Amino acid sequence: KAGVTQTPRYLIKTRGQQVTLSCSPISGHRSVSWYQQTPGQGLQFLFEYFSETQRNKGNFPGRFSGRQFSNSRSEMNVSTLELGDSALYLCASSLVGQDIYGYTFGSGTRLTVV
Amino acid sequence: LAKTTQPISMDSYEGQEVNITCSHNNIATNDYITWYQQFPSQGPRFIIQGYKTKVTNEVASLFIPADRKSSTLSLPRVSLSDTAVYYCLVEEGGGADGLTFGKGTHLIIQP
Repeated sequence: KAGVTQTPRYLIKTRGQQVTLSCSPISGHRSVSWYQQTPGQGLQFLFEYFSETQRNKGNFPGRFSGRQFSNSRSEMNVSTLELGDSALYLCASSLVGQDIYGYTFGSGTRLTVV
Repeated sequence: LAKTTQPISMDSYEGQEVNITCSHNNIATNDYITWYQQFPSQGPRFIIQGYKTKVTNEVASLFIPADRKSSTLSLPRVSLSDTAVYYCLVEEGGGADGLTFGKGTHLIIQP
């Protein structure tokens, strides 16, 4: 079966702009989580959506937001981009958010802010 | 306070068994232990999860002593392609509130 698909794979944006990243989870998975990975801070949890509702949120400013659609696809938006937002953004899906089979991650979107 | 402590890096050779130990002294009753593997520019990949004693699947084994304050991921007969970063996670209910990743262990396999 198809894995978690993230688009685009690479993105270059200018400071002050906004960006929208997309994630299509594995078919049947209802939970989608987003993570930011940087060399300095490592992997950090952004938020999780389940059945179109944000269920959990990490410690990130309000410039980071997301949503989930009825087909479980999710988008993440970052407004007023800063240089420090340059990172690999990863999406993970699971059946219900917590299960013994873990989360399946996509390959990520590499965002570069210049 | 870090949830887990694991070595920053380890080296081994092809064909060897590799054991990576993770300390989690403050593990709670509802916490599960999960290991992920990550290659450069890819998302982490779930390897194995356990609660107590021993769990084995087709790629690894996870040993958890009775006090659950540590766990050991065992990779049998490693190959060059096992070179990656391995993360040990301790999460309530398997990660319902988002996964907390530490620095991980950079495992380097040499020929």
